[in-house]
Amino acid sequence: EVQLVESGGALVQPGGSLRLSCEASGFTFKSYAMSWVRQAPGKGLEWVSSIGGTDGQTNYADSVKGRFTISRDNSRNTLYLQMESLRAEDTAVYYCVKGDHGGVYYLFFNYWGQGTLVTVSS
Amino acid sequence: EIVMTHSPATLSVSPGERATLSCRASQSVSSNLAWYQQRPGQAPRVLIFGASTRATGVPARFSGSGSGTEFTLTISSLQSEDFAVYYCQQYNNWPPYTFGQGTKVEIK
Repeated sequence: EVQLVESGGALVQPGGSLRLSCEASGFTFKSYAMSWVRQAPGKGLEWVSSIGGTDGQTNYADSVKGRFTISRDNSRNTLYLQMESLRAEDTAVYYCVKGDHGGVYYLFFNYWGQGTLVTVSS
Repeated sequence: EIVMTHSPATLSVSPGERATLSCRASQSVSSNLAWYQQRPGQAPRVLIFGASTRATGVPARFSGSGSGTEFTLTISSLQSEDFAVYYCQQYNNWPPYTFGQGTKVEIK
């Protein structure tokens, strides 16, 4: 059974930093692209970033480019999202999601974690 | 960036009735279109990918159709657990991958 368990969400001040983690199990982690998708309170879904399974290729939404960094440790089956220069508009539940194949291209998301809440407020 | 637009925003349906949800893309996405269901307080789950292929474990009452810019999700006979928000997502042109704003299916 595929499981994705996020952690690291917290209340942080504007301009602050945070690192989210996602521990994966139930599938061959290194073989699949992984992504972060977020959902602001009461709003819809927004893709944030994706990383390839073995090549490590990355893509970012313009709204986070230059501030967020996605990475993975295939030896630990763990996905990360390093978030810097956080803004109020980054407040959201952040979901760790599994892609349907190994590349960052033509991705839909076939498994989702339960999410971790990031609140950016003073 | 491809903009995905749902209609209607809210759909009121009685249990057992048929529901038809639409999603339009601002330019062609071929058949690279997925549908997700999000129940209150839960994470989304994939229902349909490739515009018309049901994901593993998805009941047969869910069906998807369309290609290019016009897509439809049909729920043939609504069950109580189907009242939720439904999102479409295009994965033909990236980045970014884009979602629609969602259709809420509520009990009539």
